[in-house]
Amino acid sequence: DIQMTQAPSSLSASVGDRVTITCQASQDITYYLNWYQQKPGKAPKLLIYDASKLATEVPSRFSGSGSGTDFSFTISSLQPEDFATYYCQQYDSPRALTFGGGTKVDIK
Amino acid sequence: QVRLVQSGSEVRKPGASVKVSCKTSGYIFGDYGLAWVRQAPGQGLQWMGWISGYNSRTTYAQNFQGRVTMDTDTSTSTAYLELRSLRSDDTAVYFCARAFPIATAGSFDYWGQGTLVTVSS
Repeated sequence: DIQMTQAPSSLSASVGDRVTITCQASQDITYYLNWYQQKPGKAPKLLIYDASKLATEVPSRFSGSGSGTDFSFTISSLQPEDFATYYCQQYDSPRALTFGGGTKVDIK
Repeated sequence: QVRLVQSGSEVRKPGASVKVSCKTSGYIFGDYGLAWVRQAPGQGLQWMGWISGYNSRTTYAQNFQGRVTMDTDTSTSTAYLELRSLRSDDTAVYFCARAFPIATAGSFDYWGQGTLVTVSS
């Protein structure tokens, strides 16, 4: 299976900060990468698909970039409702989709 | 609006089976896949597989081959996940999620609320 390595595993930030999370694939996945947000006790929410496309009704402060093996996810100006855990997920291998380990973003 | 509503929490003993349902509404069932993803307490997300709403073709993660069955009832737009030979490490919240595009079902845009399955003797 393709391994997805997310970094950092956690970070502390303040409202208004720019936050960047990275995700590295163990092999080339072209642009087959998604980003999700999950809040405690809730289902994940799709934010970014195909590495850089904003999902429906997702605010423009969220963005994604990258291709091949290296990807990044950025929140341009952190808002109070953005404190959550974020996961990357690859779908290059359709019989073995895998998620990264997650990045917990909490309040500094 | 698109909705996925899952069945309630379940408790099972080791070795038993569990079947979780996911009733969908607000979209054409046959235009999307339906994936299942689980999350053990305090852990990350694990993809289990998916079923096509169009032709009921299934793809299972290798970790669950032989223990899992996914099926659908197109008359009610409902998907089902059955997991057999349960172990304590199957204790998790099980999510269904609408998957697109239909050919590869790699992205999940709407999710159910989750069903807690507890396996304990």
